[in-house]
Amino acid sequence: GAVVSQHPSRVICKSGTSVKIECRSLDFQATTMFWYRQFPKKSLMLMATSNEGSKATYEQGVEKDKFLINHASLTLSTLTVTSAHPEDSSFYICSATTTSGSSYEQYFGPGTRLTVT
Amino acid sequence: GENVEQHPSTLSVQEGDSAVIKCTYSDSASNYFPWYKQELGKRPQLIIDIRSNVGEKKDQRIAVTLNKTAKHFSLHITETQPEDSAVYFCAASPGASKIIFGSGTRLSIRP
Repeated sequence: GAVVSQHPSRVICKSGTSVKIECRSLDFQATTMFWYRQFPKKSLMLMATSNEGSKATYEQGVEKDKFLINHASLTLSTLTVTSAHPEDSSFYICSATTTSGSSYEQYFGPGTRLTVT
Repeated sequence: GENVEQHPSTLSVQEGDSAVIKCTYSDSASNYFPWYKQELGKRPQLIIDIRSNVGEKKDQRIAVTLNKTAKHFSLHITETQPEDSAVYFCAASPGASKIIFGSGTRLSIRP
C-alpha cells in the first residue's frame, strides 16, 4: 500500500517552454502533497506544500509564479515549471501523506528528471 | 524555520564495523524524525523513524537515538554490509507533516 507515482520519469525540454509533472497517490487519499527538488549530490529541498482544494504554500525563495502547483483532487497534484531555463534542470520528487490515522510518514514518488536545453 | 544539520558528509567503514551519523535540529517544536536511504537516481526510502516521546528505537541492525534537550539525533548501523552503501538523510518534522532534510551522508562500505 501507500504507492505514489510520478509522470513523466524523465523529460527534456527547450529553454522557454513549460513542463508539467504529475504526482499521484495510487491507493490512498492524500490531503497533503509536497514537492522537492534535488540537485546532483545534494539534499532534497522542500519547494512547497500542496493541500487539496487550496493554494499551495511555498518555501522561502521559491517563485510561485514559476513553479505552479495545483492539487485538484485527493490523489493528484501537478507541478508546472513555467518558462524553464537550464538552471531549472533538476530531479523533482513529490511525496504524499495519508488522511487516515496519526501517521507522520511521507510516501515518495520515484522522481522526475528534468533537463532544460 | 527548521534547520537540520548532518555530519559527516562522507563516511567510509570496513564491512562488519558500525557506522554512526549525527544530526541536530533547531526547532524545539519538531516531533518526528525520520531517516532515509537514497540510492542514485531513486526515491528516498524510509528506514527508521522516531517520535519525540521516545528516546531510542531499534530495528535489527539499525537504531536511532534522540536527545530532545540537546536537539540531537543519531543513526547507528551495526554489522555493516556492502548493500548498506548509499546516501543517508536525516530529517525533522516541525509540524503540518512537513519534513526538512539534512544535507546527507554518503556511506561507503569497504569489503
